[in-house]
Amino acid sequence: DADVTQTPRNRITKTGKRIMLECSQTKGHDRMYWYRQDPGLGLRLIYYSFDVKDINKGEISDGYSVSRQAQAKFSLSLESAIPNQTALYFCATSLTSGRGEQYFGPGTRLTVT
Amino acid sequence: QKEVEQDPGPLSVPEGAIVSLNCTYSNSAFQYFMWYRQYSRKGPELLMYTYSSGNKEDGRFTAQVDKSSKYISLFIRDSQPSDSATYLCAMSERAGANNLFFGTGTRLTVIP
Repeated sequence: DADVTQTPRNRITKTGKRIMLECSQTKGHDRMYWYRQDPGLGLRLIYYSFDVKDINKGEISDGYSVSRQAQAKFSLSLESAIPNQTALYFCATSLTSGRGEQYFGPGTRLTVT
Repeated sequence: QKEVEQDPGPLSVPEGAIVSLNCTYSNSAFQYFMWYRQYSRKGPELLMYTYSSGNKEDGRFTAQVDKSSKYISLFIRDSQPSDSATYLCAMSERAGANNLFFGTGTRLTVIP
């Protein structure tokens, strides 16, 4: 069974729609992250959370919001989707007491038309 | 200048070849270095983890760090078609750092 799961795996939506991507983990990690991946730009950090009450903006948070509903759940919302938010989105987890390596989910391919 | 630079490739090699993948970085405070492998339509998976300078070997994979040159490498011996993937380097200043700094990835194809 996957340790980090993401839903949906694929989504096509229209400009202006609100969309939520969800991430769940069974690794028992306290830290969770949302990244987007674009060709030629690599992985860019959107938001990260060190625990349920600690949410931080990453490199490219504009146009996104997050919610940490529980230690194991971290969701990413696009309040009003725009075409340049078309990308591959990854959730990742890590352990504060660990070495710092992150473990990634399988990704959500989002297309905004 | 990006903090981590990685040649995007693509790189194509015949099966059995030795592959060398590289990243350079500008932040001399980086001490923790990782290599991730990402298959098509999958999430990155941790392949190698090293701390500070030196070499680390795991089967056909060797990670090498040269902090004086701000240069890290991943060597793959006896490359296999199953090694075909995108390889991303990542690094951080400390074990509990807020986030990792990633390279853009090198796409590798091993031809049978």
